Amino acid sequence: DAGITQSPRHKVTETGTPVTLRCHQTENHRYMYWYRQDPGHGLRLIHYSYGVKDTDKGEVSDGYSVSRSKTEDFLLTLESATSSQTSVYFCAISEQGFTDTQYFGPGTRLTVL
Amino acid sequence: KNEVEQSPQNLTAQEGEFITINCSYSVGISALHWLQQHPGGGIVSLFMLSSGKKKHGRLIATINIQEKHSSLHITASHPRDSAVYICAVRTGNQFYFGTGTSLTVIP
Repeated sequence: DAGITQSPRHKVTETGTPVTLRCHQTENHRYMYWYRQDPGHGLRLIHYSYGVKDTDKGEVSDGYSVSRSKTEDFLLTLESATSSQTSVYFCAISEQGFTDTQYFGPGTRLTVL
Repeated sequence: KNEVEQSPQNLTAQEGEFITINCSYSVGISALHWLQQHPGGGIVSLFMLSSGKKKHGRLIATINIQEKHSSLHITASHPRDSAVYICAVRTGNQFYFGTGTSLTVIP
């Protein structure tokens, strides 16, 4: 199994509070991704990173920001959480980008009340 | 608007049956991925293909670029194959996913 961890695994928070989710990898892969998974929508790409300090937006980036200061860590921040951001968040990594196999983390279940 | 459509949404099969899951997409793609999501939520990449056919054990994936269609076949299905199977396509620097096919294999 690829070495990918996500923290926290579960979080309950209130509307308007800031939330940061962490993805940590030990594989030294260049690309990292954040997805959200919702019933009826499947997985959707939020943001991705193609190197340290290099990030770009995905399909559903509004309300989210990301940072990558080290190869191994990719942070997803919800500046002011809303109930519509209640979801399961998955991190993934790949060596060579979108045409390469992606390895997924275990997911973080976030509930915004 | 769904760039990726999968069928069927749900599938129940008897152990040993041959299973086919279909994926159709509406955008130009450079790669198509098949993923498996276990009942516990973990996601595993099964195949990445841009043309032709790939085989891994009892799993076979095919793609027809002209028809914008891919199929995932499972031969001699087993209860441990019970999972959600997800099709995803890469177009440019975006990834679009189907909503998945939930497969249950009954002993």
